[in-house]
Amino acid sequence: GAVVSQHPSRVICKSGTSVKIECRSLDFQATTMFWYRQFPKQSLMLMATSNEGSKATYEQGVEKDKFLINHASLTLSTLTVTSAHPEDSSFYICSARGGGSTEAFFGQGTRLTVV
Amino acid sequence: GIQVEQSPPDLILQEGANSTLRCNFSDSVNNLQWFHQNPWGQLINLFYIPSGTKQNGRLSATTVATERYSLLYISSSQTTDSGVYFCAAGPNDYKLSFGAGTTVTVRA
Repeated sequence: GAVVSQHPSRVICKSGTSVKIECRSLDFQATTMFWYRQFPKQSLMLMATSNEGSKATYEQGVEKDKFLINHASLTLSTLTVTSAHPEDSSFYICSARGGGSTEAFFGQGTRLTVV
Repeated sequence: GIQVEQSPPDLILQEGANSTLRCNFSDSVNNLQWFHQNPWGQLINLFYIPSGTKQNGRLSATTVATERYSLLYISSSQTTDSGVYFCAAGPNDYKLSFGAGTTVTVRA
C-alpha cells in the first residue's frame, strides 16, 4: 500500500506557542489530504480537507484561524496549531488519497501535549 | 455526513476463537475501509471494500452495499489481534466518517 509519513510523532510545547505538523505522501501524489483529531478512547473526527493549491475546507466547529492548513505541493500538507492551549492536546492524524483511488492511507499520527 | 455504527463496542476472545465485527452505515458509499489501530496510534489499512468480499490471511471482510453494512471476520484469533478496529465510510466527496470502534482483547 501507499506510504504516508507524519512528523513529528510526539511534541510537547508551552501554552501560547505554535506547533507545525507535517504530512507527506512518499510514493504517490496526494491530490487530497485530510486532518483528523482523536481524543483518548474516542474515534477519529475529521477537522479539515485540503486539496493541493486550494484553501482547506474546515468541518463545522473547527477554528480555521487556530488550525492553519497548507497543502502547497502534491506530496506535503502541514497543520499548524497556533497559540496552543492545553485543551488542544490531542492525537492528530493525517491521511492522503490520490492516483485516482478513493482508498485513504494514514500517517503515524502526532501526539501533541500543551503544557 | 454519513453515520457509521460499529458493534459490539468491546469484544473479549480466547486465543483461537473466531469473531465477527459489524459496521452499519446510513447512506450510499463509494469508500468503505477497515482499520486496525495499533497501541502507538497508527492506523493499519486492513481492507478497502466498498462492496463484495475480500480475504487476507485470517481476516476477511464482506460489504453488502445495498443493505448498508459491512462485516469483518477474524478467524483463529491471536493475542496480536488485540486493539481497536475501526470502520470508516465515505460518500462521493471521499471524506471518511469513522465509527466508534470495536476494542478487541484476545486472551492467551
